[in-house]
Amino acid sequence: NAGVMQNPRHLVRRRGQEARLRCSPVKGHSHVYWYRQLPEEGLKFMVYLQKENIIDESGMPKERFSAEFPKEGPSILRIQQVVRGDSAAYFCASSPPTRSDYGYTFGSGTRLTVV
Amino acid sequence: GEDVEQSLFLSVREGDSSVINCTYTDSSSTYLYWYKQEPGAGLQLLTYIFSNMDMKQDQRLTVLLNKKDKHLSLRIADTQTGDSAIYFCAGGDSGYALNFGKGTSLLVTP
Repeated sequence: NAGVMQNPRHLVRRRGQEARLRCSPVKGHSHVYWYRQLPEEGLKFMVYLQKENIIDESGMPKERFSAEFPKEGPSILRIQQVVRGDSAAYFCASSPPTRSDYGYTFGSGTRLTVV
Repeated sequence: GEDVEQSLFLSVREGDSSVINCTYTDSSSTYLYWYKQEPGAGLQLLTYIFSNMDMKQDQRLTVLLNKKDKHLSLRIADTQTGDSAIYFCAGGDSGYALNFGKGTSLLVTP
C-alpha cells in the first residue's frame, strides 16, 4: 500500500522557468494538501484540494502559483516564472474523505532549487 | 494563525532521555502532533494528543500537555542514534491547516 508519492524528488529550474510538482495521494484518499518548507523553517500550509475543487488556497502566494487535483491523475502544484525565493521543499499530504484527526500522511517532498 | 515555538537544537548521549519542548499560542488547537523528519525525507507522524488529555504514552514516547501554559513536550526514553532527526510540533483545530514550529534538531551522540 503505497504512501503519498511525490515526484520529482529534486528539481532544478532557472529563474523564469516553470516548475511542476506532482503528488499522488494514498489510494482512496481524496483530500490533498500542499505545504512549503523554506530553509530552516517549519512547514507552511499552502492549499487544500479535493477532487476537482480548491477548498482553501489562503496560503498560496497571490501570483505565479496554482494547484489542481483533477478527477484522474495526480495533484499538480505549478509555479510559473520561478524566482530564487521559491527554492524550498514542497510537501504534499493526503487524507481520506472522512478526515482523520490523527494527522496526515506526508510524501517525501520535492526539493526545488532555482538557479 | 497560530505561533508555534520550539527550541532549535538538542544534543543528548545515547541511552539518555530527550525532552523536546514546544509552546503554542492558539488555545483552540484541538489536536497537537509530533512529527519526525530525517534528512532528505518527508514527515513521519510520531504521535498526537487531543487537547482534552494531559499525557499520552506510546512505547518510548511520552507526550505531556499543559493547557494552562500552552506547553507541549515530547520525551524520548533510552534515546538511540537512530532518533537523530528534526522533530516538529504542530497544532490544528477541527480544520485542516496545521501550524508547524521551526523544528528541533536532535543529535544523539554515542
